[in-house]
Amino acid sequence: ETVMTQSPATLSVSPGERVTLSCRASQSVTTTLAWYQQKPGQPPRLLIYDASTRATGIPARFSASGSGTEFSLTISSLQSEDFAVYYCQHYNNWPLTFGGGTKVEI
Amino acid sequence: QVQLQESGPGLVKPSETLSLTCTVSGGSFSDYYWTWIRQTPGKGLEYIGYIHYSGSTNYNPSFEPRVTISIDTSKKQFSLKMSSLTAADTAVYYCARVDYFDKNGNPGGDWFFELWGRGTLVTVSS
Repeated sequence: ETVMTQSPATLSVSPGERVTLSCRASQSVTTTLAWYQQKPGQPPRLLIYDASTRATGIPARFSASGSGTEFSLTISSLQSEDFAVYYCQHYNNWPLTFGGGTKVEI
Repeated sequence: QVQLQESGPGLVKPSETLSLTCTVSGGSFSDYYWTWIRQTPGKGLEYIGYIHYSGSTNYNPSFEPRVTISIDTSKKQFSLKMSSLTAADTAVYYCARVDYFDKNGNPGGDWFFELWGRGTLVTVSS
């Protein structure tokens, strides 16, 4: 099983700041990596797939990069609605696994 | 607009079997893989397994052999049965959808989740 590790666990930031979240895979997952945003009481929302492709309707302030074992998600200028928990997920092989999440808080 | 809705008991006793159903409204039922994912405070998001319209399944080894996913195409529903429940199975259970074809048009899908149900909280307690 590929273990996904996200860091940091919590990020305290101010609106307008640029933030970068990290996700590391225990073995190469090439670019089969997705990022999700989750707010309380809601299911995860797909932000990014194939490591760097924004999903439909996702604002351009969200960008992502990486391949192999190291990935990052950047939010260029945090908006109030971006405070949430962010998860990465690989889909290189079975079983699919998710990272433990990074909480972005005010 | 396609929607997924989970349903089932909110409370199950330890050692019993959980049965959940996901109802799909709108859209095609045959062109997708139908998936169960859960979220626990301890282990976070976990992929449980999927079923295709054809009946083919895949399960996370962590949950085999106590999990079965089935499908009722006439009702546009798919279901999860999980046996031998413990408190560690207390979670929000989500159903989700994956396109049958990947971005290159090949069967097999791209296994990220763009459409989710709202989730249903299941508590395992006596």
